[in-house]
Amino acid sequence: QKEVEQNSGPLSVPEGAIASLNCTYSDRGSQSFFWYRQYSGKSPELIMFIYSNGDKEDGRFTAQLNKASQYVSLLIRDSQPSDSATYLCAVMDSNYQLIWGAGTKLIIKP
Amino acid sequence: DTAVSQTPKYLVTQMGNDKSIKCEQNLGHDTMYWYKQDSKKFLKIMFSYNNKELIINETVPNRFSPKSPDKAHLNLHINSLELGDSAVYFCASSQETGLAGRWETQYFGPGTRLLVL
Repeated sequence: QKEVEQNSGPLSVPEGAIASLNCTYSDRGSQSFFWYRQYSGKSPELIMFIYSNGDKEDGRFTAQLNKASQYVSLLIRDSQPSDSATYLCAVMDSNYQLIWGAGTKLIIKP
Repeated sequence: DTAVSQTPKYLVTQMGNDKSIKCEQNLGHDTMYWYKQDSKKFLKIMFSYNNKELIINETVPNRFSPKSPDKAHLNLHINSLELGDSAVYFCASSQETGLAGRWETQYFGPGTRLLVL
C-alpha cells in the first residue's frame, strides 16, 4: 500500500527560528508533492507544491524535494506564532491519486 | 464569492437517520472530492467525480453515496448513520487530475462537522 509518512509531533519551535517539517513517501513513481496548512477547526489550504528535485522558495517557505531519497520537506524561516498549525504532506502517486500524510502539528513559541 | 462551499456547517443527528451534505464549487473545476477527517485529523479520501463520472471509490460503506447533478455540485448522502460516522467531512475540487503542478491542487470547502448521537 502506498504511504506518506510524517512525524505527528507536536514540533515546538521558538519564534524567529527555522521550522523544518519532513515527509517520506513509498511510491517512487510519484509525480507531484504538496504542502497544506490546516488551522484548528479550519479546512486545509495549499502552501506550496513542488515536482522537480531541488528547492522551491515562496516568501518564508521553502519546499525541498529529493526523489532519490523519496523525501520532501518544508522549511519555514522566521517562524511566527501564526504559523502554528498542522502541516499536511500530500503526494500525487504514479496512478494520479493524491495520498495524504497524517500531518505534523507545529507550535511556534513566542 | 466563496470558491468551495458546503452546507450545512454543523449536523447533529441520531443513529439510524439519513442525511445529506451539499457541496458547490464556482471555480469551474473538473474534479470534486469528498474527504472524511476523523478525530486523529487523518484525511481519508472517500470519493471523487470527474465530469460526472466516479473515478475513485475507496472502500467506504455503501451507506455513503455521492451524487453529482452537474460539474459544479457533488453531494454526499449517508444512510443509516452510525456513531463511527462522526467526523468532519470536507469537499474539495481541482482543475483536473493527471498533470503535474497547479492543475492538481485541491481547494477545500469549510467542512461539515457531523455528530451522530
